Amino acid sequence: QQQVRQSPQSLTVWEGETAILNCSYEDSTFNYFPWYQQFPGEGPALLISIRSVSDKKEDGRFTIFFNKREKKLSLHITDSQPGDSATYFCAASDSSGSWQLIFGSGTQLTVMP
Amino acid sequence: NAGVIQTPRHKVTGKGQEATLWCEPISGHSAVFWYRQTIVQGLEFLTYFRNQAPIDDSGMPKERFSAQMPNQSHSTLKIQSTQPQDSAVYLCASSAGTGGAAETLYFGSGTRLTVL
Repeated sequence: QQQVRQSPQSLTVWEGETAILNCSYEDSTFNYFPWYQQFPGEGPALLISIRSVSDKKEDGRFTIFFNKREKKLSLHITDSQPGDSATYFCAASDSSGSWQLIFGSGTQLTVMP
Repeated sequence: NAGVIQTPRHKVTGKGQEATLWCEPISGHSAVFWYRQTIVQGLEFLTYFRNQAPIDDSGMPKERFSAQMPNQSHSTLKIQSTQPQDSAVYLCASSAGTGGAAETLYFGSGTRLTVL
């Protein structure tokens, strides 16, 4: 049973375009949603995160939009750069419960120059 | 700060052999996590420790897998009688351990285990 789903599985955009990565979840107790970025041969690294009390979180070119009612969120990467090419994982947890993060299956983003 | 250090980077074992994977968390971090990453299953939680005590091992296969944290500077994941389906990248992560489930996890580069 997949508690956190991501789409698309892979995405290709041109340099300068906006990439939109989607995520949905099932467990209504989830209230913390980090996005991790992973480059080949490395471990994931935190990119940006949001708590369920907010509907938007912005950090430079990266923005999370969160819809609690629909249990959906998305990561928007504006002015995409070739260096953004990586796999992006949406994750979720119940911050008052177990400390384990539930990860989605990831979106592999390729930014063409 | 060298980050989370995992050794070895690559390990090849024969079916039925034992594999021990090592993790050195970031100094001062009191929470240590183990995840397994495969193409098919993605990132799967295995277990975590807080202040060296095992807290949640709900993701650990009940047989053959065990994890320990004998001191605050390292943790080990041991797989007995390795099977081809154990082939994966095993990731260790640490966090400060003070902010609960909403803390940032700092991952190592992982150990790629290949079971022939």
